[in-house]
Amino acid sequence: DGGITQSPKYLFRKEGQNVTLSCEQNLNHDAMYWYRQDPGQGLRLIYYSQIVNDFQKGDIAEGYSVSREKKESFPLTVTSAQKNPTAFYLCASGTRKGDTQYFGPGTRLTVL
Amino acid sequence: SQKIEQNSEALNIQEGKTATLTCNYTNYSPAYLQWYRQDPGRGPVFLLLIRENEKEKRKERLKVTFDTTLKQSLFHITASQPADSATYLCALVDSGYALNFGKGTSLLVTP
Repeated sequence: DGGITQSPKYLFRKEGQNVTLSCEQNLNHDAMYWYRQDPGQGLRLIYYSQIVNDFQKGDIAEGYSVSREKKESFPLTVTSAQKNPTAFYLCASGTRKGDTQYFGPGTRLTVL
Repeated sequence: SQKIEQNSEALNIQEGKTATLTCNYTNYSPAYLQWYRQDPGRGPVFLLLIRENEKEKRKERLKVTFDTTLKQSLFHITASQPADSATYLCALVDSGYALNFGKGTSLLVTP
């Protein structure tokens, strides 16, 4: 099956803890993205990567970190520096920046 | 600043009617515009892309228009069905080639 997967679907975290969200794609896409979505809000770009070992900050990168060691994988770490991390996180991939994006099923993160 | 505006109020229509959703934008000069569908608790799914030199694009019961003079796109679903109920997002590429999404319009089709 071709597609983009995210895990876990639901994640609970205590305040002060770092947590890593997984994103994997087997679509052979160069570009990958992380978005955050809050209730009733649009998608806000956190980080994106156009090639392996390279990534750029989006509009709301503070308190987040990423890595792109493999073309297929783009994990997102939500650090304790993120003040309001409870949200729905979406990963996407595309052939190149600005092109049609293919989204994963999302991870809902709740900070207790 | 760049803005993408979609109706924040939900659109309620009866099954069989045509649903029309609006996307207005400011301070963009987009080469193309995209529409996505998002169901609750799921990731958006790409529906249609329309280029600046295309006035209209169709896919089955879906039709998109793109008026770069009015800075507006209209998204139509003809013969709507309850299964069409979802949130519909429009997206534009900004000057840095990042894809920016509107907040979406919720559509509810009742039998």
